[in-house]
Amino acid sequence: SQTIHQWPATLVQPVGSPLSLECTVEGTSNPNLYWYRQAAGRGLQLLFYSVGIGQISSEVPQNLSASRPQDRQFILSSKKLLLSDSGFYLCAWSRDSYNQPQHFGDGTRLSIL
Amino acid sequence: GIQVEQSPPDLILQEGANSTLRCNFSDSVNNLQWFHQNPWGQLINLFYIPSGTKQNGRLSATTVATERYSLLYISSSQTTDSGVYFCAVNYGNNRLAFGKGNQVVVIP
Repeated sequence: SQTIHQWPATLVQPVGSPLSLECTVEGTSNPNLYWYRQAAGRGLQLLFYSVGIGQISSEVPQNLSASRPQDRQFILSSKKLLLSDSGFYLCAWSRDSYNQPQHFGDGTRLSIL
Repeated sequence: GIQVEQSPPDLILQEGANSTLRCNFSDSVNNLQWFHQNPWGQLINLFYIPSGTKQNGRLSATTVATERYSLLYISSSQTTDSGVYFCAVNYGNNRLAFGKGNQVVVIP
């Protein structure tokens, strides 16, 4: 069966520091991968998605970037965090076929001080 | 972009009561998912339902794609049903647009 892992579960960072959140998927190959942010406990917003290694699409302009160095690894990064980057970040995967459901990791709770 | 609206935003239920949550979407979609977010933030897949009706225990869902809405039914609610219920629609490349959620509190 397929599993998705995110880490860390919780992170507290100062403003201006860099960020790296990692997501990996097991049990499938060539998945579609997604990063979402949930602010203020309601509503998820799609930030990035990837259909293959090195292929990243951004949904909204922001201070963050994403990379996919390996087939089942998706990384969310920032060079300098802003207060507004605080939130709950969730990674998800789906099969790369048409019209597939998404499955979510447990999320990373990011607090910027 | 596509708009997803959920109602009611907040709902308080007595344990054992039934409820209906509604999701309206503004455009044709490829598919629709319902999730339950528990107090620890985990998003649990409930239903993947492009059309028709599905049932899973005390929960069932109906999607009428031609009329652009979906309903989630909770019967004989339990305190463990508390949390936020999200509707999300697939609008291409398996990307999801989420509603703002239904916050459900079940009191004993």
